[in-house]
Amino acid sequence: KAGVTQTPRYLIKTRGQQVTLSCSPISGHRSVSWYQQTPGQGLQFLFEYFSETQRNKGNFPGRFSGRQFSNSRSEMNVSTLELGDSALYLCASSTTSGVDTQYFGPGTRLTVL
Amino acid sequence: QQQVKQSPQSLIVQKGGISIINCAYENTAFDYFPWYQQFPGKGPALLIAIRPDVSEKKEGRFTISFNKSAKQFSLHIMDSQPGDSATYFCAASMSGGDDKIIFGKGTRLHILP
Repeated sequence: KAGVTQTPRYLIKTRGQQVTLSCSPISGHRSVSWYQQTPGQGLQFLFEYFSETQRNKGNFPGRFSGRQFSNSRSEMNVSTLELGDSALYLCASSTTSGVDTQYFGPGTRLTVL
Repeated sequence: QQQVKQSPQSLIVQKGGISIINCAYENTAFDYFPWYQQFPGKGPALLIAIRPDVSEKKEGRFTISFNKSAKQFSLHIMDSQPGDSATYFCAASMSGGDDKIIFGKGTRLHILP
């Protein structure tokens, strides 16, 4: 089976812009979770979608949003980008809503200038 | 109360030695404790995990020791190899929790050849 794919792998934006990141889960996986990874804060949970519904949300401002499509593919959007949003954004998929079977993608490296 | 404290930040071990990484948590509602391994340019990969009903779990050269009363758990890598050089994250989660999973800040492990 193909793994979790994320596009694009690298992205450079400027402050105030918005960005959309995409995640394609492993075939058959219905849950997609998003994480932000930075050197200072480490790995932080953003949100989880299961069957097109947001199931859980981490402690991030409303500028961070996401959605999931009927084919389980997911997108996350960050509006009004700030310098502090520069990070590796990771997506993980699992068959059900649970962290014990999740598989991570390689991430999208976002740089905000 | 939601933190997971991981130590050390970095670790250097001779080939063939034992690598030990420690984590401590505060919230007794956590019921799943995974360890992830991350290589540069890759997403984290689940290495081994434990639930609080057992005190130890072993998979090959990797062992988790869990001390429920002390609210601590550790990863032991026996016969450490240069290929084990990576960043290791401990994590904790609770069923139905809003912050789905909490990660430690990570330990950069380097195995000397």
